[in-house]
Amino acid sequence: AQSVTQLGSHVSVSEGALVLLRCNYSSSVPPYLFWYVQYPNQGLQLLLKYTTGATLVKGINGFEAEFKKSETSFHLTKPSAHMSDAAEYFCAVSDGQAGTALIFGKGTTLSVSS
Amino acid sequence: NAGVTQTPKFQVLKTGQSMTLQCAQDMNHNSMYWYRQDPGMGLRLIYYSASEGTTDKGEVPNGYNVSRLNKREFSLRLESAAPSQTSVYFCASSELGGGWDEQFFGPGTRLTVL
Repeated sequence: AQSVTQLGSHVSVSEGALVLLRCNYSSSVPPYLFWYVQYPNQGLQLLLKYTTGATLVKGINGFEAEFKKSETSFHLTKPSAHMSDAAEYFCAVSDGQAGTALIFGKGTTLSVSS
Repeated sequence: NAGVTQTPKFQVLKTGQSMTLQCAQDMNHNSMYWYRQDPGMGLRLIYYSASEGTTDKGEVPNGYNVSRLNKREFSLRLESAAPSQTSVYFCASSELGGGWDEQFFGPGTRLTVL
């Protein structure tokens, strides 16, 4: 069975500071990994995903994540936070099999202060 | 393209009442999903449909039924609503239904059961 753990339900940073949101996964097969963002009162939208190949994945809005198999991690980073980054972020994992759905973490709320 | 649309956006029910949440996508996607989102719980899969004519249970199917009416539409029915079903419900779709697919989410339905 697969699972996702997001460390820290709430992260606060100052505008311009580094953003680091942590995600660890458990999977018995090579995983497919995703980060989604949810702005207030909206649905989720994809930030980035890792399927195969390059372990450093770049996404939208300046975010990136690195797949580290040895650490079973897929942490999300952004060098410089903007006020507009304030949202809830979800890490998700899949086993890549057809007809299966994503397993989501419980989410991390990012607050950005000026 | 409207993407994934959901109706209604808000609903208040009394315990024991029934209702159907509607979802439609115009992206010609094969797979569709219903999730519920509760504070601190992330998104949990209720049911999914890998392709037209098929449906499967997710993590939390009890108290719900689904219908994949056609390729575009996937409805979620609560036969006898309970306060524990107070939640935000999201419909999503993906092109191929493989675990590597991006899922596209609707704006959600906020349901309160009194």
